[in-house]
Amino acid sequence: EADIYQTPRYLVIGTGKKITLECSQTMGHDKMYWYQQDPGMELHLIHYSYGVNSTEKGDLSSESTVSRIRTEHFPLTLESARPSHTSQYLCASSEFGRETQYFGPGTRLLVL
Amino acid sequence: DAKTTQPTSMDCAEGRAANLPCNHSTISGNEYVYWYRQIHSQGPQYIIHGLKNNETNEMASLIITEDRKSSTLILPHATLRDTAVYYCIVRVMNRDDKIIFGKGTRLHILP
Repeated sequence: EADIYQTPRYLVIGTGKKITLECSQTMGHDKMYWYQQDPGMELHLIHYSYGVNSTEKGDLSSESTVSRIRTEHFPLTLESARPSHTSQYLCASSEFGRETQYFGPGTRLLVL
Repeated sequence: DAKTTQPTSMDCAEGRAANLPCNHSTISGNEYVYWYRQIHSQGPQYIIHGLKNNETNEMASLIITEDRKSSTLILPHATLRDTAVYYCIVRVMNRDDKIIFGKGTRLHILP
C-alpha cells in the first residue's frame, strides 16, 4: 500500500490569495509529480521532480510553482489564486527505475 | 511512447467479466503495457503491467496479443466498485520520464 498524502483535501479560497498544496510520501521515492484534472477530463502533468533540487515543468502550462528541498516533500504553490485555478490537483511518486506511480487522494481547489 | 486507443466507454453487468480492450499498434519491442484506473474523485491506481506474456494479479488479468499490437484487461467478476476510468499506457520500463495519461475508458458496472 502506497503512503502518499496530500493536504488539504478540500480548499475554498478567495481570488488573490497565496496557497500551498502539500504532498508528502514516506516511501523514499525519488520521483514525484503534480497533475491537474478538471471534472470528467484528462489528467495533465504540470510539474515533476527527479529528486532533491530537481523540478521540471510538465506538459500543461501552469502558473503554479514547486520546490523539492526534501525527498519526501513536494509542495505546490500558487502565488495569487484565480478562479481559473479551480481544479483537482493530484500528487504522485515513483521509485527511480520503476514506472508504477502511486497517487495521493488529491486536493480539490475552489477559487472564488 | 507508443500511442494507445481505447473505447470511450463500456458497460458490464455486475458479476460478469469486464474485458477492456486497448490498441497499441505502434508499440516497440521494449515498451510495456500498463493499466491504471481512477475511481471517481480519487487518484489513479496502478492495476497491472506486462511486456509480452499474459499477467495476472489479485486485481486483474492482462492478455497481450502475440504481435503485441493490442491487449485486453480482464476484471474477472466485476463489482459496482469497479466502476471507474481505466487507462492503458504504453512506455519503456525504467525510462526517466513522465507518464502521459490519455482519456481512458469509462467503465460502468450495472447492477
